[in-house]
Amino acid sequence: AQTVTQSQPEMSVQEAETVTLSCTYDTSESDYYLFWYKQPPSRQMILVIRQEAYKQQNATENRFSVNFQKAAKSFSLKISDSQLGDAAMYFCASTGGGSQGNLIFGKGTKLSVKP
Amino acid sequence: NAGVTQTPKFQVLKTGQSMTLQCAQDMNHEYMSWYRQDPGMGLRLIHYSVGAGITDQGEVPNGYNVSRSTTEDFPLRLLSAAPSQTSVYFCASSRTGRYNEQFFGPGTRLTVL
Repeated sequence: AQTVTQSQPEMSVQEAETVTLSCTYDTSESDYYLFWYKQPPSRQMILVIRQEAYKQQNATENRFSVNFQKAAKSFSLKISDSQLGDAAMYFCASTGGGSQGNLIFGKGTKLSVKP
Repeated sequence: NAGVTQTPKFQVLKTGQSMTLQCAQDMNHEYMSWYRQDPGMGLRLIHYSVGAGITDQGEVPNGYNVSRSTTEDFPLRLLSAAPSQTSVYFCASSRTGRYNEQFFGPGTRLTVL
C-alpha cells in the first residue's frame, strides 16, 4: 500500500526565519504527483505547492519551495521568511494508484510561528 | 463561482440516527470525493466518483453510502451513525485525471454521541 509519512508532528519557527517540513512517501508507480496542503484554524484545505514526479526541477511558489529527492522518495517543504499567517497544519499528499484523483495524505505537521 | 460547498457545517447525532452530508460544486468537475479527518490521522478517502452514475470505495468506506445522480452533487449518507464516525468530513472535486488540483469544501464537523 502507498504511504506518506510526516515524521514531525509539530514544528516551530521564528518570524522571518526559514523552516523545513519533512515528508517521505512510498509508491510503486513511476508517474505520480506530490502536494503540500495548508490547513489554517479555519479548517479550509489550501494547496500550497505541487510537484510532478517526472520533473526534476523543484517546484517553487513565492516563499514556498520543495526539495524533491525522487530516489530517496523525499519531498520536503521549505518556507522562507516565515510569517504569522503561515501558522497552520501542513499535509503532504501523494496521488494514489489508478487514474483517479485520489490522494494519500500524511498525518500532518503543526507549524507554529513565533513573533 | 461558489466552488465546493458543504452543508451542514456542524452536526450532532445520536448513535443509530441517519443523516446525509451534502456536497455540491459549480465548476463542472467530473471527479468528486469524500475524506474524513481524524486527529493525528490526516485525511482518509471514504468514497469517490469519476462522473455521474459512477462511484467507488476508498480506504475507509464502511458505514457510508454515496450516489452521484448529477455532476454537481455528491451526497454522503450515514445510515446508522456510530461514535467512531465522529470526525471532520471534507468533500473535494477536480477535473478528471489525477494530475489536476483538487478543490476542497469547508468541511463538516460531525459528532456522534
